[in-house]
Amino acid sequence: AQSVTQLGSHVSVSEGALVLLRCNYSSSVPPYLFWYVQYPNQGLQLLLKYTSAATLVKGINGFEAEFKKSETSFHLTKPSADMSDAAEYFCAVTSSWGNEKLTFGTGTRLTIIP
Amino acid sequence: DTGVSQNPRHKITKRGQNVTFRCDPISEHNRLYWYRQTLGQGPEFLTYFQNEAQLEKSRLLSDRFSAERPKGSFSTLEIQRTEQGDSAMYLCASSSTTGTNTGELFFGEGSRLTVL
Repeated sequence: AQSVTQLGSHVSVSEGALVLLRCNYSSSVPPYLFWYVQYPNQGLQLLLKYTSAATLVKGINGFEAEFKKSETSFHLTKPSADMSDAAEYFCAVTSSWGNEKLTFGTGTRLTIIP
Repeated sequence: DTGVSQNPRHKITKRGQNVTFRCDPISEHNRLYWYRQTLGQGPEFLTYFQNEAQLEKSRLLSDRFSAERPKGSFSTLEIQRTEQGDSAMYLCASSSTTGTNTGELFFGEGSRLTVL
């Protein structure tokens, strides 16, 4: 079975500051990892995905994440926060590519301070 | 491509009533998923279809829940004899097993259920 743990249910950063959202995974097999974003009153949207091709994954809107097997982590970062980044972010894991039965974390709400 | 569409967006019902949600996936997608999301939690898998076949159901899906995808296009999720614990956002997502976006789920905006 797989699981993900998101540290920090709420994160606040100043506009222009580094965004760091933490995700640690647990999996008995090599995982496939995802970050989704949910804006208010909208559906979840895929930010980026790790499929074992490269450990540093770049996604949309300037976000990236690095897969670190030794730390079982897949943290999401963005060098400079924008007001439009305010949303809820979910980390998710699955055990096999093409199997979209994802296990999601509890989410991190990101607030941007002007 | 109009995205995944869910109806109704909001449903308020009294305990014991039946409710039905509809999901229209992206037209060329052969897989359709239902998830449930409660306040402060991430989405939890309920069930999924490949074409019209329901391939997996979570243990979260009690006997009061039934999902169908009769022609491999739209899907319905029915909850019978609703309970207050059923109050949640029900999310539908679709995906394709072919093409460049294989493995990516496309979510609808969800149907929020409130059981009084």
